[in-house]
Amino acid sequence: ETGVTQSPTHLIKTRGQQVTLRCSSQSGHNTVSWYQQALGQGPQFIFQYYREEENGRGNFPPRFSGLQFPNYSSELNVNALELDDSALYLCASSPGGRGTDTQYFGPGTRLTVL
Amino acid sequence: QQQVKQSPQSLIVQKGGISIINCAYENTAFDYFPWYQQFPGKGPALLIAIRPDVSEKKEGRFTISFNKSAKQFSLHIMDSQPGDSATYFCAASSGTASKLTFGTGTRLQVTL
Repeated sequence: ETGVTQSPTHLIKTRGQQVTLRCSSQSGHNTVSWYQQALGQGPQFIFQYYREEENGRGNFPPRFSGLQFPNYSSELNVNALELDDSALYLCASSPGGRGTDTQYFGPGTRLTVL
Repeated sequence: QQQVKQSPQSLIVQKGGISIINCAYENTAFDYFPWYQQFPGKGPALLIAIRPDVSEKKEGRFTISFNKSAKQFSLHIMDSQPGDSATYFCAASSGTASKLTFGTGTRLQVTL
């Protein structure tokens, strides 16, 4: 069984640029959630995709957007990067679209915005 | 609004001791309470989880105690080991919501 994988591992961008982060779900999981974890803080929910449809969104501006593909892999896109977007971005997959499903996290992508 | 409050922020325990981390929640719709362990440079890993129909759940050295009336739950790590040194996060979610709401984390250090 393959776990959740994310790419790239690290990324450095400058303010105003755009970035795309990628996630491959654990085998058999049709739900992907994205979280932002600032240094020294707990993860904050960005949004979730269930069977290619957005299934809930946290308190993040529209410049944070996502996609889920038929194979249940996912992308997180962030436009007009700001310094405060520097964080660890975590992807988590789960077997269903309910909040009580166990979510399995990937290793994350460390984004630095200069 | 922080819906899950976690304490302490950091904790130092001697090897063999008991580590206790506490969380309190506000949203009475929460019905799933997992604990995650995170090592530096890694994503959070599920440690143990509880639902409100039981007051305690034990898995090996890890125990969750749950008090529904007080809206509090805690993680106990028995016989703490240096390998347990990590950051621990409590979280909560409900069956009708898609997100996990995390606490702010507790950095545990187990000394020899």
